[in-house]
Amino acid sequence: GDSVTQMEGPVTLSEEAFLTINCTYTATGYPSLFWYVQYPGEGLQLLLKATKADDKGSNKGFEATYRKETTSFHLEKGSVQVSDSAVYFCALSAGGTSYGKLTFGQGTILTVHP
Amino acid sequence: NAGVTQTPKFQVLKTGQSMTLQCAQDMNHEYMSWYRQDPGMGLRLIHYSVGAGITDQGEVPNGYNVSRSTTEDFPLRLLSAAPSQTSVYFCASSYVRTGGGYGYTFGSGTRLTVV
Repeated sequence: GDSVTQMEGPVTLSEEAFLTINCTYTATGYPSLFWYVQYPGEGLQLLLKATKADDKGSNKGFEATYRKETTSFHLEKGSVQVSDSAVYFCALSAGGTSYGKLTFGQGTILTVHP
Repeated sequence: NAGVTQTPKFQVLKTGQSMTLQCAQDMNHEYMSWYRQDPGMGLRLIHYSVGAGITDQGEVPNGYNVSRSTTEDFPLRLLSAAPSQTSVYFCASSYVRTGGGYGYTFGSGTRLTVV
């Protein structure tokens, strides 16, 4: 079945450091890929998405590129801020008859210190 | 637009009690789904629906029932609560448009504790 694997956390960085959170996936066909963010005590917000190979999703300084050859969708940000502290989830939607379903990774806790 | 509304936000149940978590959306989305979030495990799909009258099981369906009599509502019923069902529950609605447009919207969650 479909699966998503994220790098182990938690990740602790100083403000203005470079961020990478690795995400790899297993899926049949051509899934769409997503990054969601969850701030403390809140629900999930879509951060960015990509629907086909080589697409780059971007939002709020975060970027991720859909790499079909390596089945990856790594999240990057050049300079993190304290306000980026949150839990980040990589997810996929397999499409077809599975449009209504998302498969999530286990989440990566990011803490950014001043 | 209210988006996806979940009620209640918090609930404490005793083992063996039953209850219904409510989920409503006002965006006319065809797909709706329920997830549970547990520490270190991400979100796991409980049940989902591709339209009114049509539901199917997800990854962790045991102990939960759903029905979808209208496009707007997708309640999740716990038949006999167990401590293993202590979790945060999220409802989501989604759509697909011709040409590949996708959209998922999550509710704010229900924190359930079973004692």
